[in-house]
This record gives sequence, structure tokens and C-alpha cells, in this order.
Amino acid sequence: KAGVTQTPRYLIKTRGQQVTLSCSPISGHRSVSWYQQTPGQGLQFLFEYFSETQRNKGNFPGRFSGRQFSNSRSEMNVSTLELGDSALYLCASSLGGVGTPSDTQYFGPGTRLTVL
Amino acid sequence: GNSVTQMEGPVTLSEEAFLTINCTYTATGYPSLFWYVQYPGEGLQLLLKATKADDKGSNKGFEATYRKETTSFHLEKGSVQVSDSAVYFCALRSNFGNEKLTFGTGTRLTIIP
Repeated sequence: KAGVTQTPRYLIKTRGQQVTLSCSPISGHRSVSWYQQTPGQGLQFLFEYFSETQRNKGNFPGRFSGRQFSNSRSEMNVSTLELGDSALYLCASSLGGVGTPSDTQYFGPGTRLTVL
Repeated sequence: GNSVTQMEGPVTLSEEAFLTINCTYTATGYPSLFWYVQYPGEGLQLLLKATKADDKGSNKGFEATYRKETTSFHLEKGSVQVSDSAVYFCALRSNFGNEKLTFGTGTRLTIIP
């Protein structure tokens, strides 16, 4: 079974630009979550989508947005990039049933975003 | 809110040494607990998990027991190898239907031959 894939793996952008990251979940998984990883803040939850609806959201500004398509693939968009947005962005997929905390999240390799 | 406190790193051990990485948590209800590992340049891989009190998760020689009385989920391995060098993250997810994982700060482990 193919794992979670993320594209692109590396991105270099300049301040003020916008960027779109893509995530393809494991086949059959309906939940996709996004996390930001930085040396200073560690792993922080951005948002989670299930059946094309945002189900949970972390404490990030509105410049960070996402969506999910009918095939469960998800995209994350960051507008008006700032230097502090440089990070590894990780996508995770799971079956996504409500009230199933044991449901395992499987992570992709991440997209390394550098903002200059 | 939920939180995970993890042993500060970095940790350096000799090959075949015994490993313990401490993890304690604060959560309402009965969370599920996880250990993830991150190798250089890669995403997170699930190492093991436990879903209720006294459960023991195990994988690749690593073990961790869900201790509700001490709110702990310490990671142990009896004999580490150079290939175990990585960053280890303890995480929890609450049982209130929220998919969010709450992570500890991570512990960098280096094994010296």
C-alpha cells in the first residue's frame, strides 16, 4: 500500500509570495491533517480535513488555509509569505472516524519551505 | 489543555546500551499515546502506540507502557544500535473526537559505535 505522498519536497519562495503544497493520503483514508515543524516551536497543528470539510483548526493566522478534494487529496496554501513561515510542513492521513483516538496518523515525508 | 513533556536531549549512548526516554502527559479523559521517530530528512514514522491504561506498545525492540497513575509513557530499548539514531517524539490524542496530535518537543538520540 502506497504511503502518504507530498509534493513538492522542497520549495524556495520570497517574502510576499504565496505557495500551495499538496498531499495525497493513503488509499481509503478520509482524514488529512497538516502540521508545521520548526526548530523553535516544534510540531504545531495547522488544520484537519475530513470528507472535504475542515473539522479542526489550530492557532495560525488566516494566511494559512487548506482544502480537501473528493478523492481525499488535500492542499495547503500560505499567502503573503513571511520569513517565519520557513518550516517543514507535514501532512498526515488516517481513517478519521469520530471518537477513535487510537486511529493512527501516518505522515508523509514533508515539504521543506524556505522563505527568503 | 493537553500537553506532553518529554525528556530534554540530546542523548548520546554507546551501542548496546539501555535506553530510556521519559514522557509524561496532561490530558482530560483517556487519551491514546504514541511514539513517533524521525530520521534525518524524513517525516515522522509511527514507532508504537497504546490506547488504554496498562497497555504496552512494542516495535523493533522498543517498548512503552501506558501508566495512568503516573501519567507517563516512557520509551525503552534494551540494546540500542547505531541505526536507532534519530529524533523521538511522544504524542497524545484525546478521546473527544479531535484528530489533533499533541507532541512533545522531541529527543535527539545519537548512538556511538
